[in-house]
Amino acid sequence: SAVISQKPSRDICQRGTSLTIQCQVDSQVTMMFWYRQQPGQSLTLIATANQGSEATYESGFVIDKFPISRPNLTFSTLTVSNMSPEDSSIYLCSGGQTNTEAFFGQGTRLTVV
Amino acid sequence: QQQVKQSPQSLIVQKGGISIINCAYENTAFDYFPWYQQFPGKGPALLIAIRPDVSEKKEGRFTISFNKSAKQFSLHIMDSQPGDSATYFCAASKSFQAGTALIFGKGTTLSVSS
Repeated sequence: SAVISQKPSRDICQRGTSLTIQCQVDSQVTMMFWYRQQPGQSLTLIATANQGSEATYESGFVIDKFPISRPNLTFSTLTVSNMSPEDSSIYLCSGGQTNTEAFFGQGTRLTVV
Repeated sequence: QQQVKQSPQSLIVQKGGISIINCAYENTAFDYFPWYQQFPGKGPALLIAIRPDVSEKKEGRFTISFNKSAKQFSLHIMDSQPGDSATYFCAASKSFQAGTALIFGKGTTLSVSS
């Protein structure tokens, strides 16, 4: 399977600020996704990153809070906007081809203070 | 609404023992049931997966048992080793294809004592 790299791997941010997380895949993939893993909780899908069009968001997640870009088949970004301590989580990028299983990056550990 | 319930939350097993993690699901439309293994600081990695047309799948020391009528599935780790110490997540989706959202359980932290 392809390798996904996320940047940054971790960050500590002030409340009210925004952080952009980058996801780079070492080969072209059809599908890319963003998940959130809150402390002690399961992984929750935030949105599907669509190339060349607006991301598809899951219930409870909105574009104003989590804007996503996907300019090509190997790269995507997730921005966590106007952060509060409740946004402290691990954010994971996932990808795969249409007819294959999805794989994950190593995650970005975000702490909001 | 939690669609996939996982237990136990944590598990301690002696080296060489059997680790058993259980999951239950609610949505009968689910058609794919993977298990992911996650080490600290790493993303989840697919460990083993099963479709509901079989009741058991074995890969090395890892076995999935699936009970469609009870809507339950479990992961058995035989001859558990310290290197197996990690967090394990069960998941479910309507398809194995990457375009289908995965619904995850809350995870089980496994510690294998040497």
